[in-house]
Amino acid sequence: KAGVTQTPRYLIKTRGQQVTLSCSPISGHRSVSWYQQTPGQGLQFLFEYFSETQRNKGNFPGRFSGRQFSNSRSEMNVSTLELGDSALYLCASSQPGLAGSTDTQYFGPGTRLTVL
Amino acid sequence: DQQVKQNSPSLSVQEGRISILNCDYTNSMFDYFLWYKKYPAEGPTFLISISSIKDKNEDGRFTVFLNKSAKHLSLHIVPSQPGDSAVYFCAARDYNTDKLIFGTGTRLQVFP
Repeated sequence: KAGVTQTPRYLIKTRGQQVTLSCSPISGHRSVSWYQQTPGQGLQFLFEYFSETQRNKGNFPGRFSGRQFSNSRSEMNVSTLELGDSALYLCASSQPGLAGSTDTQYFGPGTRLTVL
Repeated sequence: DQQVKQNSPSLSVQEGRISILNCDYTNSMFDYFLWYKKYPAEGPTFLISISSIKDKNEDGRFTVFLNKSAKHLSLHIVPSQPGDSAVYFCAARDYNTDKLIFGTGTRLQVFP
């Protein structure tokens, strides 16, 4: 099975711009979660989508939004970029509810966003 | 407010010795705990987990211990190998919200 893929891998933007990141989950996984990783802050939960619906949301401003498509692929959008948005954005997929499942999340390699 | 804390940002251990990575949490609604390992330029990969009804789970060289009364868990790696050098994140699942909360990570370096 192919793993979680994220595109692009690297991105450089300037303040005020907007950006869209893409995530393709493992085939058959219907849940996609997004995290922001910055030095000293660990992984901060952004949101989770399941069957095209946002199921959970972290404590990020409304500039951060996402969506999920019928094929479970997900996109994350950040508008009006700020310098502090520079981070590694990780996407993880899982398949909740499987018998014996630990609800383990499988992560993609991430998109490194740099805001200048 | 950091609900999952990894107070040691780094740890250096000699090959063959035991590595002990620690994690503390504050939320009593956490019912499941996981450890992830992250190499540079890669996403975190699942390592081992433990349910809150257990106090120990072992998988090969990796053992996770949970002390609920102290709200503390630890990951033991024995014997440590140079390939274990990575950043280790502990994570906890909130029973109420089903969110996974991560710690800030501990960078483990295993030297020959």
